[in-house]
Amino acid sequence: EDQVTQSPEALRLQEGESSSLNCSYTVSGLRGLFWYRQDPGKGPEFLFTLYSAGEEKEKERLKATLTKKESFLHITAPKPEDSATYLCAGKDNFNKFYFGSGTKLNVKP
Amino acid sequence: NAGVTQTPKFQVLKTGQSMTLQCAQDMNHNSMYWYRQDPGMGLRLIYYSASEGTTDKGEVPNGYNVSRLNKREFSLRLESAAPSQTSVYFCASSEYTRVGSNQPQHFGDGTRLSIL
Repeated sequence: EDQVTQSPEALRLQEGESSSLNCSYTVSGLRGLFWYRQDPGKGPEFLFTLYSAGEEKEKERLKATLTKKESFLHITAPKPEDSATYLCAGKDNFNKFYFGSGTKLNVKP
Repeated sequence: NAGVTQTPKFQVLKTGQSMTLQCAQDMNHNSMYWYRQDPGMGLRLIYYSASEGTTDKGEVPNGYNVSRLNKREFSLRLESAAPSQTSVYFCASSEYTRVGSNQPQHFGDGTRLSIL
């Protein structure tokens, strides 16, 4: 069964305290692993696409990495404005996306 | 830069009423999707349309119907609303080619639906 699992469900960090979010996936014929950010009352906003094991993408304080079974979203020296829910999704051969339930990140000043 | 537009933003229904949620995208994408998002459950796919003229069931299709009106528009209909359908509904679109491109989805800001 195709599925995506994220951990932890919630993460509280102090400003400047680096950490990582995990996304484990089993998606047949994976055609991309996607990370999104979702703010309260808004739709998910696209962050990164990873396609091949070993690939890395960076944007400001965020870096996403991919292995054959999981992806990590590393947050370096986070700021309060990084507080949001982070979602990952795997896409199959038929353009169908499988979402994890998300990690709610809270960064305290 | 409208992207994906959903209407209405909020709606309250009584059990048994029907309603249609509207979604339109202006990015010329050929795939469109409807999801529901409930606390602790993440995004669950209701229906999707890989290309104009096709629709397929997702994970939770019961109680819903969809219409891909044209390339831009994809509507979701609740024929007889039930309290279990209280949720936030998101529409999304993405580009799809047969070579399996890794294009992401783009989301609207959701419709918050309460069924009493």
